Amino acid sequence: SQQGEEDPQALSIQEGENATMNCSYKTSINNLQWYRQNSGRGLVHLILIRSNEREKHSGRLRVTLDTSKKSSSLLITASRAADTASYFCATDDRVGTSGSRLTFGEGTQLTVNP
Amino acid sequence: DAGVIQSPRHEVTEMGQEVTLRCKPISGHNSLFWYRQTMMRGLELLIYFNNNVPIDDSGMPEDRFSAKMPNASFSTLKIQPSEPRDSAVYFCASSVLGTVSNQPQHFGDGTRLSIL
Repeated sequence: SQQGEEDPQALSIQEGENATMNCSYKTSINNLQWYRQNSGRGLVHLILIRSNEREKHSGRLRVTLDTSKKSSSLLITASRAADTASYFCATDDRVGTSGSRLTFGEGTQLTVNP
Repeated sequence: DAGVIQSPRHEVTEMGQEVTLRCKPISGHNSLFWYRQTMMRGLELLIYFNNNVPIDDSGMPEDRFSAKMPNASFSTLKIQPSEPRDSAVYFCASSVLGTVSNQPQHFGDGTRLSIL
C-alpha cells in the first residue's frame, strides 16, 4: 500500500522564499522521515520525527506531524538554489502480521530560482 | 567517512543477460536495503537484510531477482535473465540496526540499469 503522498507534486519559488511541502498517509505510524534527492544521486536523510512528537527543527528545516490528520509538513526557510531537489516523506508500512517496511511517497520536485 | 558504495554506476545490457549489482554498506551498519526507482512506480523496497540475514523479500518482483549478503560489507542483487521492464535505478541503502522506520537510511548513488 502507498503510505506517504506528497503535495504539491512540483513547487517553484524564488531564492529567499520559504517552501512548504506536505505529506499525507493512511494508517498509523511509529515514525516519519523526510529525505532529499538531488538529480542523479541517492536519497539523503533530512529528519526523523516520532509519532509522539509534533514539531522538529534542523537548521533551516522545520517538520511538523499531526497524527490526528495523518499528515506532516516540511518547511524550508530562506530557500537557496542549492535546495533544488526532490523531497520525499517515508513512513513505516505494516507487512503481514509482524513486519514493516519504509514506504516512500512520490515526492515533491522543488525548484528554487536564483 | 565513505558512504554506501554501489557499482557499477551505469549498466547497459541486452535482454536475457545476467546482471549483477554490487553494494558496500557503511562500516558498522547492520541493516542493508535494496530499492528500485522508476518514474511509474517511484521508490520500491525490494529486500532488506539485518545482520546479513534476509528479513523481508516480499518486494522482489520475480524469481529472476535474487539478493545475497555473504558478509557484513558486501551485498549483491542479481537479475537473471534480465528483461527491458527491469530498466530502473537500483539503490542500496544501509542503516544501524533498528526497526525499519526508526533509523535513518544512508543511500548510495545508485546503479542506472538499461536493458535493451
